[in-house]
Amino acid sequence: AQSVSQHNHHVILSEAASLELGCNYSYGGTVNLFWYVQYPGQHLQLLLKYFSGDPLVKGIKGFEAEFIKSKFSFNLRKPSVQWSDTAEYFCAVISARGYQKVTFGTGTKLQVIP
Amino acid sequence: NAGVTQTPKFQVLKTGQSMTLQCAQDMNHNSMYWYRQDPGMGLRLIYYSASEGTTDKGEVPNGYNVSRLNKREFSLRLESAAPSQTSVYFCASSETGGSYNEQFFGPGTRLTVL
Repeated sequence: AQSVSQHNHHVILSEAASLELGCNYSYGGTVNLFWYVQYPGQHLQLLLKYFSGDPLVKGIKGFEAEFIKSKFSFNLRKPSVQWSDTAEYFCAVISARGYQKVTFGTGTKLQVIP
Repeated sequence: NAGVTQTPKFQVLKTGQSMTLQCAQDMNHNSMYWYRQDPGMGLRLIYYSASEGTTDKGEVPNGYNVSRLNKREFSLRLESAAPSQTSVYFCASSETGGSYNEQFFGPGTRLTVL
């Protein structure tokens, strides 16, 4: 069975600091990967996704993620965070073969201090 | 487009009471999902419906039932609520259940069982 680990449960940064949130998955086959964001009081929305090709993918609001197959990782990055990035971030993985269920990580709460 | 809508937004139940959470989507999606979100546990799949007329159990189905009323609507029923079902419930939909489709989430229902 596939699983997703997000080791950082709560991250506090000052504005303009750089961000990197870890995501590691466990699955023996080819996967598709997602990062979702949940702003306070709002529903989850897609930040970015990786299916194939360039392992460095860019998403909305200046976020990017790098897929490193050898490390089973899909870390989320942003060079300079803003107060408005305060949210909870979820990594998700799904097998690329046929219909499968998405597995979500436990989430990382990011707090950006002005 | 309203996207995915859920009712109610908040609900308080007493142990043993029943209720139905409603979900509707206007994106003509085939697949729909119910998740619960608990602190430190991320999103866990309760039930899903790959297409109209089909439903399947997810990771945590015990204590819940679902109905895919039509292509638009997917309801979640708690027959006899228990305090362990206190959670935030999210409905989601995707174009199909395939692994290349992102899921679109509703705003959530915050349920408290006393």
